[in-house]
Amino acid sequence: EPEVTQTPSHQVTQMGQEVILRCVPISNHLYFYWYRQILGQKVEFLVSFYNNEISEKSEIFDDQFSVERPDGSNFTLKIRSTKLEDSAMYFCASSEALRLAYEQYFGPGTRLTVT
Amino acid sequence: SQELEQSPQSLIVQEGKNLTINCTSSKTLYGLYWYKQKYGEGLIFLMMLQKGGEEKSHEKITAKLDEKKQQSSLHITASQPSHAGIYLCGARHTSGTYKYIFGTGTRLKVLA
Repeated sequence: EPEVTQTPSHQVTQMGQEVILRCVPISNHLYFYWYRQILGQKVEFLVSFYNNEISEKSEIFDDQFSVERPDGSNFTLKIRSTKLEDSAMYFCASSEALRLAYEQYFGPGTRLTVT
Repeated sequence: SQELEQSPQSLIVQEGKNLTINCTSSKTLYGLYWYKQKYGEGLIFLMMLQKGGEEKSHEKITAKLDEKKQQSSLHITASQPSHAGIYLCGARHTSGTYKYIFGTGTRLKVLA
């Protein structure tokens, strides 16, 4: 069964460093998403991406964040200068279409620890 | 903004017992998703409900959507240790949006 994959599974970085989280969505999916979950808190929407551009973003997704689909398979989330409060699980998801009938498939997540 | 509240926040049941988890929206629901998450892992899709009154089942898990009450319930029959985890409901923020919001989560523990 096709699945969304994410690398690395765990990333430790120092405050102020740049990190890139990588995702490989399901191959025939057109919509891509990033979410984060701070330990013990809700899963929060960050950004959605379609047709090589951001469709929607949340208040969390400020200028420190960017997303890119550098080739036909990868979808990346970059945090330019990490802060302690960026420590969280980051989930990538993809869906075939926007309509409700198409669920989002989530990857296993990348645990980001900022020290 | 729309909020999804789940109840209970946590639940401990004896193996074989039935249980129900509720998800209530502060605004109109445009469909609802149920996911399961094991601690520290990704979200596993369980079910999607699109219309009011809709009920779906997968193995021993049944979910219903009550659009009028802006509420969904997830019912597990004859619970097993494999059902343990965190159950999350999710919904679109508004109709036509790409943005999903998630509930607060219900942590389920099943005692063997």
